[in-house]
Amino acid sequence: NAGVTQTPKFRVLKTGQSMTLLCAQDMNHEYMYWYRQDPGMGLRLIHYSVGEGTTAKGEVPDGYNVSRLKKQNFLLGLESAAPSQTSVYFCASSSTGTSAYNEQFFGPGTRLTVL
Amino acid sequence: RKEVEQDPGPFNVPEGATVAFNCTYSNSASQSFFWYRQDCRKEPKLLMSVYSSGNEDGRFTAQLNRASQYISLLIRDSKLSDSATYLCVVNGGGSYIPTFGRGTSLIVHP
Repeated sequence: NAGVTQTPKFRVLKTGQSMTLLCAQDMNHEYMYWYRQDPGMGLRLIHYSVGEGTTAKGEVPDGYNVSRLKKQNFLLGLESAAPSQTSVYFCASSSTGTSAYNEQFFGPGTRLTVL
Repeated sequence: RKEVEQDPGPFNVPEGATVAFNCTYSNSASQSFFWYRQDCRKEPKLLMSVYSSGNEDGRFTAQLNRASQYISLLIRDSKLSDSATYLCVVNGGGSYIPTFGRGTSLIVHP
């Protein structure tokens, strides 16, 4: 039982390059989330999904796209990376959205630098 | 006004001290509440859920005050290993998505 895994752990991109971050969970969770964390800003929600085939925008969706083709995977894409997207990206999953027991489980993070 | 607010700190306390953090939330319909702990350069992990009646887990006590719309976390007999950022999380109230506070930094020194 690996929990939530993220690939890659580190990446350096040049401005304008594209990349995809992969998040996988083996807990059969319905909800999955992508956050970014910057110094002094806390966790900010980029996109989320409430089930296979569904996605929705969070607080800071611009410049990112997502897909949830399989229940266990949630992909985050950067089509044309910008230095402002330098951040630590965390994926999380939870069984539901509004239960008192809907603990979120986080992946270890991806540290992305855009030059 | 941010939906979930925390004092960023840092709270700098000696070993053995008792320290308390508060977190205020703006949505009175919020239904569930949590404290997460985040170590430097690591992912957040659940510390404890916060129940209406309050709950205790060893040296940690969490309380909910619905009337004043805040939750609290009390840490007794602080250890060096308690040094971390503590994140307040609020769920529900018409949204399926949890809202995170920006976190409170705790530094426990010898």
